[in-house]
Amino acid sequence: ETGVTQSPTHLIKTRGQQVTLRCSSQSGHNTVSWYQQALGQGPQFIFQYYREEENGRGNFPPRFSGLQFPNYSSELNVNALELDDSALYLCASSHGRLADSSYEQYFGPGTRLTVT
Amino acid sequence: AQTVTQSQPEMSVQEAETVTLSCTYDTSESNYYLFWYKQPPSRQMILVIRQEAYKQQNATENRFSVNFQKAAKSFSLKISDSQLGDTAMYFCAFMKPLLSVDTGRRALTFGSGTRLQVQP
Repeated sequence: ETGVTQSPTHLIKTRGQQVTLRCSSQSGHNTVSWYQQALGQGPQFIFQYYREEENGRGNFPPRFSGLQFPNYSSELNVNALELDDSALYLCASSHGRLADSSYEQYFGPGTRLTVT
Repeated sequence: AQTVTQSQPEMSVQEAETVTLSCTYDTSESNYYLFWYKQPPSRQMILVIRQEAYKQQNATENRFSVNFQKAAKSFSLKISDSQLGDTAMYFCAFMKPLLSVDTGRRALTFGSGTRLQVQP
C-alpha cells in the first residue's frame, strides 16, 4: 500500500509570487485535506476535497485554492504570497465513507514553504 | 467552534518511565472523535491512538493508552515504558461526528502540541 506523498520537500518563494504544492493520496482514498502548520504550532485546516470538489474550508482567504484530480491526487495553490504563509503544508488523505474506519486521516511528510 | 488545549508545551521523561500528556477540548457536540498524533523531527504526522466519544472504554494501543473523561472534556495520553523513539511533538486533535456524506466534517482541529523528550 502506497502512503501519502508530497512534493516538493522544500520551497523558497518571494513575497507576491504564486506557489503550487502537490499531494498524492494513499491508495484507495478519495478525500484529501490540506493543513498549514506554522512553526511551533499545531496544524490548521485549510480545506478538503472529496471526489474532485471542495467540501469544507477553514478560515483561509480565497488566495488559497486547490484542485483534486480524477486519480484523487491534489494541488494546493497560494497566490500573492505573504511572509506569514511561511509554514509546513501537510496533506492528509482518507476514505470518503461513513464506515467507522474511514475517518482516520493519513498524513504526508509535508512541504516546507519559506517566503522571503 | 471546537477548541483543543494542550497546556504542557514541553515535557521530559526518563527512558522506561511513564509520562502523561494532557489535553482538554471544548465542543457542543455529543458525539465526536479524538486523536493523538505524534510528529517526530522527520515531520511525518503519525496517528498514535483514537477514541470515539460514544465508547466509554478507554482506548489502548500497546504502550499507549488514554484517559477519556467526557464530562470533563479531558483526553490525556499515557505512554508507558518510554523509549527514545517516543521523542517527538504530540498533538491532540478533535473531529466532528460523521453525520452525513459531507466529508468536510472530517476536518481535524489540533491543539498547540507538547514537545516530549525521552532522556536516556
